[in-house]
Amino acid sequence: QLQLQESGPGLVKPSETLSLTCSVSGGSIGSSGSYWGWIRQPPGKGLEWIAAIIFSGDNYYNPSLKSRLTVSLDTSKNQVSLKLTSVTAADTAVYYCARSLGEIRLLDYWGQGALVTVSS
Amino acid sequence: DVVMTQSPLSLPVTLGQPASISCTSSQSLVYINGNTYLTWFQQRPGQSPRRLIDQVSNRDSGVPDRYSGSGSGTHFTLKISRVEAEDVGIYYCMQSSYWPYTFGQGTKLEIK
Repeated sequence: QLQLQESGPGLVKPSETLSLTCSVSGGSIGSSGSYWGWIRQPPGKGLEWIAAIIFSGDNYYNPSLKSRLTVSLDTSKNQVSLKLTSVTAADTAVYYCARSLGEIRLLDYWGQGALVTVSS
Repeated sequence: DVVMTQSPLSLPVTLGQPASISCTSSQSLVYINGNTYLTWFQQRPGQSPRRLIDQVSNRDSGVPDRYSGSGSGTHFTLKISRVEAEDVGIYYCMQSSYWPYTFGQGTKLEIK
């Protein structure tokens, strides 16, 4: 069964770069028809879709964050990575990695999420 | 961005009673191919979201048939025919007809 596990520093200082990795087991991130999304949830708040990457490497970025975002695939490690630069307290959230099969929007498998706090 | 508005935001329900959540979009979710991309997710306490219903009314495998989705255009509804204890959580609607895909604020269902 497909499993996704987010990992990265739990604390990032303001103005620095948030880096997260989604390690995938039970399937290949490069499989045809696979899409990988990053969705975040600030504490006590709702969900925000911030980025997606297709199995071929093409990206979709939320325009509100596009200038600060980079999402990439590392097929050798079977990992999806997220980098968000120049973070502020508003970027404090649980960051989820999710897989969609067939269509980018389906979000059929989710990781357990990683809490990232932006604070000095 | 398409704004998704849910109501109510808090929904106390007696076990065995029905529950209904409304979701309204700021523009029609009918895509150019004629499909309507409105999805419902459930997030149980301490868990990641889980997809329940796709394209307005298509229930996912394993989702109890007491869950149903309906609606069209800009108005959508998630109904639970008889609430059970395992239904406690936050329910989100999401539109995926326009990028960036957007979620509603969430509706917290609790047992009275």
